Amino acid sequence: AQSVTQPDIHITVSEGASLELRCNYSYGATPYLFWYVQSPGQGLQLLLKYFSGDTLVQGIKGFEAEFKRSQSSFNLRKPSVHWSDAAEYFCAVLAAGTASKLTFGTGTRLQVTL
Amino acid sequence: NAGVTQTPKFRVLKTGQSMTLLCAQDMNHEYMYWYRQDPGMGLRLIHYSVGEGTTAKGEVPDGYNVSRLKKQNFLLGLESAAPSQTSVYFCASSGGAGGEETQYFGPGTRLLVL
Repeated sequence: AQSVTQPDIHITVSEGASLELRCNYSYGATPYLFWYVQSPGQGLQLLLKYFSGDTLVQGIKGFEAEFKRSQSSFNLRKPSVHWSDAAEYFCAVLAAGTASKLTFGTGTRLQVTL
Repeated sequence: NAGVTQTPKFRVLKTGQSMTLLCAQDMNHEYMYWYRQDPGMGLRLIHYSVGEGTTAKGEVPDGYNVSRLKKQNFLLGLESAAPSQTSVYFCASSGGAGGEETQYFGPGTRLLVL
């Protein structure tokens, strides 16, 4: 069965600094990968997704992620963080042929200091 | 186009009471899902549906029932609520295999069982 690991429970960065959130997945075939963001008290919003093709994908709000098959990783990056980026970030993997079910990581909470 | 909506937004129940959470989507999606979110555990799939009149168990189905009588609606029922069911519940929908496999989430229902 597929699984997702987000090794960082909580990360604090200064506004304007760069950000990288780690995500490692376990899945036997080529996965579909997603990053979602959840602001406090809100639902999940899709940031970006990887299905195939270019391994560097661009998302909303200036985020990007790179799929590295050799490392089973799909890390999320942003060159300059804004205070409004403070939220919880979830990585998820979708296994083909499983009714499009997602398996989520446990999330990384991002705090941004001014 | 409202996307995915959930009713109610917040509810307090006493142990043993029953309730139904309603999810509605206006994107003509085939697949719908119910998740629960608990601190430090990410989102876990309760039940899902791949089409009108069909339902299936997810990762944590015990204590819950679902129904999908209409394509646009997916109901989650708690027959006899327990404190362990205190959680935030999210509904999601996707186009399914052959369509848009990205899941779109509702705003959530916060449930407190006393």
